[in-house]
This record gives sequence, structure tokens and C-alpha cells, in this order.
Amino acid sequence: DAGVIQSPRHEVTEMGQEVTLRCKPISGHNSLFWYRQTMMRGLELLIYFNNNVPIDDSGMPEDRFSAKMPNASFSTLKIQPSEPRDSAVYFCASSTTRYNEQFFGPGTRLTVL
Amino acid sequence: AQSVTQLGSHVSVSEGALVLLRCNYSSSVPPYLFWYVQYPNQGLQLLLKYTSAATLVKGINGFEAEFKKSETSFHLTKPSAHMSDAAEYFCADRDTSGGSNYKLTFGKGTLLTVNP
Repeated sequence: DAGVIQSPRHEVTEMGQEVTLRCKPISGHNSLFWYRQTMMRGLELLIYFNNNVPIDDSGMPEDRFSAKMPNASFSTLKIQPSEPRDSAVYFCASSTTRYNEQFFGPGTRLTVL
Repeated sequence: AQSVTQLGSHVSVSEGALVLLRCNYSSSVPPYLFWYVQYPNQGLQLLLKYTSAATLVKGINGFEAEFKKSETSFHLTKPSAHMSDAAEYFCADRDTSGGSNYKLTFGKGTLLTVNP
């Protein structure tokens, strides 16, 4: 099994630009999570999908952030427009059910200049 | 809201020494506790999990953790540190109440350094 796949691994962009982060969960997993990791705030859950449906987006910082899961094998997290304070490592994780172990991808390190 | 506290953001041990990483939780309902490890530039990997079956939980790479309800603790230990154990370790508690039982609350992490 390839594990959770995220792309790109690193992204450097300028303030105001649109950023799209991508995630492919493990096949057969129907729960998907997006997290953000920063030094100040640690690991924060941004959004949770179950069977491709967003269940909880209360962690999404503001309207500049949006996430989609058009099918069971693909999800995107978009930031438009990006700001320097969005600089962080963004992780995608998936699990077989909402209760079970979450498997994390390698993360995308985002730097907004 | 539940919280997870990891005492010590940085722990340094010598190779072969005991590793002790501390974690305290705050949830009033039975917790579901996890320890994850993060190696540099990688995602989080599950080390072990407590699901109330046994208070002493054994994980991968020789790590184990003991659940102590009276102390609301779930400390991670390893008898003998290896250089390859150098990483950041995160304790997490899964919300078991209500409808948000998918949520993991993470501690701030403890960076483990192993000295030769």
C-alpha cells in the first residue's frame, strides 16, 4: 500500500496567490482529515470528510480556505488568496472509519512570502 | 474542551538510557489515547494506542505506555534509547463524547534528542 499521498511536498508562493494542496487517501478509507501544523498552535484539525461529505469544517480558519473531496480517492485544500500567516505544514490523514487509527501523509510545507 | 499536555517540549537522553515522555489528558470520559512519532520531514506514524483493553500498552520499536487513570497520565517509555529514536513525539486523545468522536486533540509535542 502506498500510504496517503500528498502533493506538492513543498510550495513557495507569494502573498495573494492561490494555493492548492492535494491528497490521495489510502484506498478503502472513507474518512479523510486535513490538519495544519505550526510552531505556535501545534496540530489543528481543519476539516473532516466522511464518505466524501464534509462533516466538520469548524477548524477552517476563514473563508479564504476551502476543501473539496470530489471522489473517494482525491481531496484538495485551497487557499485563496494566500497570506504569510498561512505558512505551515499541512497534513492529510485517512482512516477506515471515524474511530480508527488515522494514517498521515508526509505533509506539504507551505511558505507564503 | 479536552486537552492534552506534554510536559517538556524537548527531552535529551544518552544512547542506551531510559526514555520517558510525559503526557497528561483532561477528558472526563474514558479516553482513547495515542502516541504518534514524527521523523524529520515526514508525517505522523502511530506508535501505540490505548483503548481500555489493558493499562500497559506495547507499541512498535520497543515503546510502551501505561495508562493511569488516577493520575490522568499516559506516559511513553522505552528502556534503552537508540539513535534512530530521535524524533518528535505527540500524544493525542480522541474525543469519545457526542458526535465529534473522530476528533483527535494533540499535545504540543516533545522533541527527543539522543546523544551518542
